[in-house]
Amino acid sequence: DILMTQSPDSLSVSLGERATINCKSSQSVLYSSNNKNYLAWYRQKPGQPPKLLIYWASTRESGVPDRFSGSGSGTDFTLTISSLQAEDVAVYYCQQYYTTPYTFGQGTKLEIK
Amino acid sequence: EVQLVESGGVLVQPGGSLRLSCAASGITLSSYWMHWVRQAPGKGPEWVSRINTDGLITIYADSVKGRVTISRDTAKSTLYLQMNSLRPEDTAVYYCARERRDSGTALDYWGQGTLVTVSS
Repeated sequence: DILMTQSPDSLSVSLGERATINCKSSQSVLYSSNNKNYLAWYRQKPGQPPKLLIYWASTRESGVPDRFSGSGSGTDFTLTISSLQAEDVAVYYCQQYYTTPYTFGQGTKLEIK
Repeated sequence: EVQLVESGGVLVQPGGSLRLSCAASGITLSSYWMHWVRQAPGKGPEWVSRINTDGLITIYADSVKGRVTISRDTAKSTLYLQMNSLRPEDTAVYYCARERRDSGTALDYWGQGTLVTVSS
């Protein structure tokens, strides 16, 4: 199984400041035939299901604010929130879908400082 | 509007069985790959199973393989997860989710989940 490791486990950021969450996969999730990284990012608020933010490592889902961006390739990925809003308080997960089982990271809890 | 509504989660004894349902509206199940994902209390999500558009290709996580069966009834627009030989470690909120087209296997719509508790 591909192990997904996120860092940090928790993060406190002031409103309006930048938040950065990292995700590392135990093997590459870059598919060479199409040059796509099989990685997604989700946000989960308490009592709610995960919500898709980013797929193909850097493609923003429809309706997701442009303060959210994804980057990285191969085994190292980053989710950046450029200007933290109060509604961004949540747990964030990365997920690889390069191969089954499709595995998630352990989560990063984002709070307001 | 796409809606996925899970049901069937209960308290069940170890070794027991149950069937989860996911009623879909706003989509045609036969047009999408569909998934079950579970989340144990305080833990991250764990992918469980996937079924393809014609219902003939199914994939399972090793943790449930041989004990779980994913299926769907397109006439009823409902996805199912039959779970047998349940173990305490199967305790989790179970979500059904739709695979987004042209995204690989990213999941763009999720239900609110149904809680399965396995305990004596």
